[in-house]
Amino acid sequence: TQLLEQSPQFLSIQEGENLTVYCNSSSVFSSLQWYRQEPGEGPVLLVTVVTGGEVKKLKRLTFQFGDARKDSSLHITAAQPGDTGLYLCAGARTSGTYKYIFGTGTRLKVLA
Amino acid sequence: EAQVTQNPRYLITVTGKKLTVTCSQNMNHEYMSWYRQDPGLGLRQIYYSMNVEVTDKGDVPEGYKVSRKEKRNFPLILESPSPNQTSLYFCASSLSRPPAEQYFGPGTRLTVT
Repeated sequence: TQLLEQSPQFLSIQEGENLTVYCNSSSVFSSLQWYRQEPGEGPVLLVTVVTGGEVKKLKRLTFQFGDARKDSSLHITAAQPGDTGLYLCAGARTSGTYKYIFGTGTRLKVLA
Repeated sequence: EAQVTQNPRYLITVTGKKLTVTCSQNMNHEYMSWYRQDPGLGLRQIYYSMNVEVTDKGDVPEGYKVSRKEKRNFPLILESPSPNQTSLYFCASSLSRPPAEQYFGPGTRLTVT
């Protein structure tokens, strides 16, 4: 059962546009991570959020963890071709288990 | 160089022929994990290990075995592979339990015919 749904699945935009990717669940997570994966490589961590309502910024990327810790969003300002890739959210529960649940992924293409 | 290595990178095999995919990390990480990646499904955790001799099931453990006899190695064993195990497999490690940063290997593309 997939517990983390990402939207949209695919996104193709022009360089300079803004975009938001959503990661939603009916379950509560103790932390939420965002990864980016490029073709032929493993995912690379972008950010970890652990507090409900937390907002983190990484240059042009803004990450938010929902107040109830069930959802998260990734906002990219002025997208660039180098932002192209597969974006994955991943939730962790740390009460009695140390599993990760990954989202379904959002494939972003930024056109020059 | 700090890294997670996997071997082989590509493997084509037949149904029922036992195989092992190796994973090794040189960062003295405690937590190691195996994932499979299938289109539209993201990554799904197969097994994870908190430390030597401590392993636990992820969300899709059926048909797989793991062992953690040494801290640096975490092999994935498919004792009787089937076509539905055709997938892209990733090993990952982190210094400690979630939500510590996971470092992923380069992936192993497995095809079972």
